[in-house]
Amino acid sequence: DQQVKQNSPSLSVQEGRISILNCDYTNSMFDYFLWYKKYPAEGPTFLISISSIKDKNEDGRFTVFLNKSAKHLSLHIVPSQPGDSAVYFCAAENSGGSNYKLTFGKGTLLTVNP
Amino acid sequence: DTGVSQDPRHKITKRGQNVTFRCDPISEHNRLYWYRQTLGQGPEFLTYFQNEAQLEKSRLLSDRFSAERPKGSFSTLEIQRTEQGDSAMYLCASWIQETQYFGPGTRLLVL
Repeated sequence: DQQVKQNSPSLSVQEGRISILNCDYTNSMFDYFLWYKKYPAEGPTFLISISSIKDKNEDGRFTVFLNKSAKHLSLHIVPSQPGDSAVYFCAAENSGGSNYKLTFGKGTLLTVNP
Repeated sequence: DTGVSQDPRHKITKRGQNVTFRCDPISEHNRLYWYRQTLGQGPEFLTYFQNEAQLEKSRLLSDRFSAERPKGSFSTLEIQRTEQGDSAMYLCASWIQETQYFGPGTRLLVL
């Protein structure tokens, strides 16, 4: 039972255009969401997060949108750069629980072409 | 560099051998997490510590796995009698304010 789903294994975009990565979740107890970027042979790097009390959070080129009723979130990267090419993981947690453990999706490989 | 370090970065071992990994979290973070990532999957929660107390273990953590965090500082994850299915990247994360910061991981290959 996969509680966090990233249905697109890969995405390819042109440099300068917008990249949109999607994530769906099924557990209504999740109330805090994070996006991580991962290069091969490295650990995940934290990018941006959003609490369920918000519907948007922006940090530079990265914006995360949350639609609670649809249990859907998305990460927008604009403009996309070749250095953004990596695997992006969506993660969710129940901050009202005591353990703050993260549940991850399977990731989306983003390729930004020059 | 997140400030979380892991050692070794790579480990190749033969089936049946024991291995131990170390994680040094960010010093002021009192929570430490271990995850395992296999090919094509996202990281999966294994266990976590608050200070020196191990508070939760996933069912993924069989009795061949043991983790410690003496004195609430660094942590070790030991796998006894390794199996080929243990081949994965083992990730450690340090937690503060609802965000986990990951180390570079230890990639284990069991032959």
